[in-house]
Amino acid sequence: SAVISQKPSRDICQRGTSLTIQCQVDSQVTMMFWYRQQPGQSLTLIATANQGSEATYESGFVIDKFPISRPNLTFSTLTVSNMSPEDSSIYLCSFHPRGSGNTEAFFGQGTRLTVV
Amino acid sequence: AQSVTQPDIHITVSEGASLELRCNYSYGATPYLFWYVQSPGQGLQLLLKYFSGDTLVQGIKGFEAEFKRSQSSFNLRKPSVHWSDAAEYFCAVGDTGGFKTIFGAGTRLFVKA
Repeated sequence: SAVISQKPSRDICQRGTSLTIQCQVDSQVTMMFWYRQQPGQSLTLIATANQGSEATYESGFVIDKFPISRPNLTFSTLTVSNMSPEDSSIYLCSFHPRGSGNTEAFFGQGTRLTVV
Repeated sequence: AQSVTQPDIHITVSEGASLELRCNYSYGATPYLFWYVQSPGQGLQLLLKYFSGDTLVQGIKGFEAEFKRSQSSFNLRKPSVHWSDAAEYFCAVGDTGGFKTIFGAGTRLFVKA
């Protein structure tokens, strides 16, 4: 199965700063997804990242707060900008293997972010 | 719009007892359905999935789930729970067109000795 590497695994950040999370997949994938999991909550989709185009954001999420890059078919970054304590969450990247449809989503290990 | 409901926030079962975690979905067509498990400090792992065909699906770790279209349900079952099964379980529905995966709120399973 495909391997997905996400880093950092955790970080503690000062409010007002920004953190960029990286996600690397060991094979080419068409779409990558970024999720947020707030403490004790389920996963909420932030945005879908296609290579070569702007990310598509879900309701309640905006590009200025969560800019996403997708420079190639194996890599994506999510930046959490101007952080506040409410941004403390686990952030996960995800993808579907190419050609598999929506048969299964693979997830990174997640980035546990604490904003102080 | 698609949605997933897991009515039980947490469940406690004794080790060796049977388990059923409930999941109801809302989707306009035949959905792709999944169960994921998240152990403390771990990422998400797929337990099983349903797309079509046999409505009883076997997964890893001895789990199974049954798709019931008439009830819009996809309940997860295990005949005998082990202490290592203590985790958070998420039911999810896949958008067959847009590749999005929508997650339920999750059910936390506690296993007592």
